[in-house]
Amino acid sequence: QQPVQSPQAVILREGEDAVINCSSSKALYSVHWYRQKHGEAPVFLMILLKGGEQKGHEKISASFNEKKQQSSLYLTASQLSYSGTYFCAPPDSGAGSYQLTFGKGTKLSVIP
Amino acid sequence: DGGITQSPKYLFRKEGQNVTLSCEQNLNHDAMYWYRQDPGQGLRLIYYSQIVNDFQKGDIAEGYSVSREKKESFPLTVTSAQKNPTAFYLCASSIDGWSGYTFGSGTRLTVV
Repeated sequence: QQPVQSPQAVILREGEDAVINCSSSKALYSVHWYRQKHGEAPVFLMILLKGGEQKGHEKISASFNEKKQQSSLYLTASQLSYSGTYFCAPPDSGAGSYQLTFGKGTKLSVIP
Repeated sequence: DGGITQSPKYLFRKEGQNVTLSCEQNLNHDAMYWYRQDPGQGLRLIYYSQIVNDFQKGDIAEGYSVSREKKESFPLTVTSAQKNPTAFYLCASSIDGWSGYTFGSGTRLTVV
């Protein structure tokens, strides 16, 4: 089942913070996060693991909610280069699964 | 530098023709994937391969075929049975099911 991302789109000024949510109907064992700029390939940002461990981008963090059915991506002090569409992708059948199911994406626009 | 190469970048096909999209990686990754992306949608998994000479169907495998004869190569054939093949096709690879994906730059296929 495809995870649901919110908001669908957000506009920020440089230096502002943003939160992108990724909700699932079942518990999440881990979540991948990717960013895609227009016309380009997605770029891996980070993996959030079940115990809260994170592997990836230094300036971006993520967490699970209490029931682990939602993950949130935190972008702090946004830069123009943060613009793009952000996708969450939980593994289909548990952490370590080779099948990721991508959400429809959240379009982030950072303006001067 | 290591990476994934997809070719061609743009491809036009007449209805009723099969076409093969190339994907080559020199990252020494065991796992490779093919995703399809339509406007405003997330990525949908077509096929994936965890190891040479083995591959599995994803969510939308109908009308597509793949082979994995070499670790470095994972070509995708879009057959005439695929009813709506116009899309952006992305190839990716990963070390294993726990690692982030590296994506190629994509092939934009248009059926004319």
